[in-house]
Amino acid sequence: EAQVTQNPRYLITVTGKKLTVTCSQNMNHEYMSWYRQDPGLGLRQIYYSMNVEVTDKGDVPEGYKVSRKEKRNFPLILESPSPNQTSLYFCASSLGWRNNEQFFGPGTRLTVL
Amino acid sequence: SQQGEEDPQALSIQEGENATMNCSYKTSINNLQWYRQNSGRGLVHLILIRSNEREKHSGRLRVTLDTSKKSSSLLITASRAADTASYFCATVPIQGAQKLVFGQGTRLTINP
Repeated sequence: EAQVTQNPRYLITVTGKKLTVTCSQNMNHEYMSWYRQDPGLGLRQIYYSMNVEVTDKGDVPEGYKVSRKEKRNFPLILESPSPNQTSLYFCASSLGWRNNEQFFGPGTRLTVL
Repeated sequence: SQQGEEDPQALSIQEGENATMNCSYKTSINNLQWYRQNSGRGLVHLILIRSNEREKHSGRLRVTLDTSKKSSSLLITASRAADTASYFCATVPIQGAQKLVFGQGTRLTINP
């Protein structure tokens, strides 16, 4: 089944404790991106990747890192999480970024205490 | 920055009625897409309409695009309780960063 998977789905952590949210797709998509969704602010892009080893900042990259060593994986790294990073996070992928629908993962609900 | 703005922010109708949601955007686009999100879940792609298209259909969905007014509408006909969700428009700008720009969404409630 074609899908985007994220892990973990739920995470409660404390300020400053490094964490990684994994994202994997099995559709051989080139384009992958991370969004965060907050009430009243909609979806905002954090980082995106056009292909392996090609990543760039989105609208709200501060406090986040990403890597794209393999085509299928695009992990989101929070080196030192803070409470303002409490949010619902979505990974998405598509064949290309311009004329293709994006496939979204199920979301990761992160709470930073 | 958010480009798409949906209107209304919330809509509540009776089952069987038609639901219309609108989206306005600011810059020239390559295409506009509509997504549905059930509460707390991932977004699901509904339909993509290119800038040179004016109308597109998919089942009970009808999307229009007016590039002169920089607006789009999503019509859901014969609504069902299962259509209850948030609906987002997303634009792909012709210039600028390679990304979708999402609006704030319309929360649609279908009352049985």
